[in-house]
Amino acid sequence: QITLKESGPTLVKPAETLTLTCSFSGFSLSSGVAVGWIRQPPGKALEWLGVIYWNGDKRYSPSLKNRITITKDTSKDQVDLTMANMDPVDTATYYCAHRRAYSGFAVDHWGQGTLVTVSS
Amino acid sequence: DIQVTQSPSSVSASVGDRVTITCRASQSISNWLAWYQQKPGKAPKLLIYSASTLESGVPSRFSGSGSGTEFTLTINSLQPEDFATYYCQQAKSFPAPFGGGTKVEI
Repeated sequence: QITLKESGPTLVKPAETLTLTCSFSGFSLSSGVAVGWIRQPPGKALEWLGVIYWNGDKRYSPSLKNRITITKDTSKDQVDLTMANMDPVDTATYYCAHRRAYSGFAVDHWGQGTLVTVSS
Repeated sequence: DIQVTQSPSSVSASVGDRVTITCRASQSISNWLAWYQQKPGKAPKLLIYSASTLESGVPSRFSGSGSGTEFTLTINSLQPEDFATYYCQQAKSFPAPFGGGTKVEI
């Protein structure tokens, strides 16, 4: 059974750096597997932020690529998201996502999500 | 980037109705399209991938069709638990954008 869970601060100040951790179980970051981050501002649509593949390859949203970094720790079954220079418009629920195999970027398992508020 | 446009943004329906939601891609994505259901305060749930393949455990009243640039999600015989927001997603290439969502309400 695949599970993912996000952890990290729920409140950050403008200009600060956010770091979230996705801890997962039920799979390993082995061949073909990819884990990423998706966010959803309150009342708005979903947005992929970035994804990391089992081999270390990464893809970032063009609109955010200068601000975000995704890393993995295979020994701990964790994937981290770091987002610099946070702004109130970055207030959103952040989801960790497991990409469905052989289905492009469809997501078959999601974390519960963590609401991050950016405010002074 | 390949964008997707979803319509309508909301639809009013009753239990037992058939509901159809449309998603259009800005260029051909073959069958690389997914559909999700999201209820308030919950993470999205994958319903359909590869445009028409039902995810395991999803009721058969949900169906997807289309290829290229035009796609449809159909919910036959709407049930009370189906009132939710539905999203399409271009799954071919990153950043794999989602549509704006369709809220199915009473």
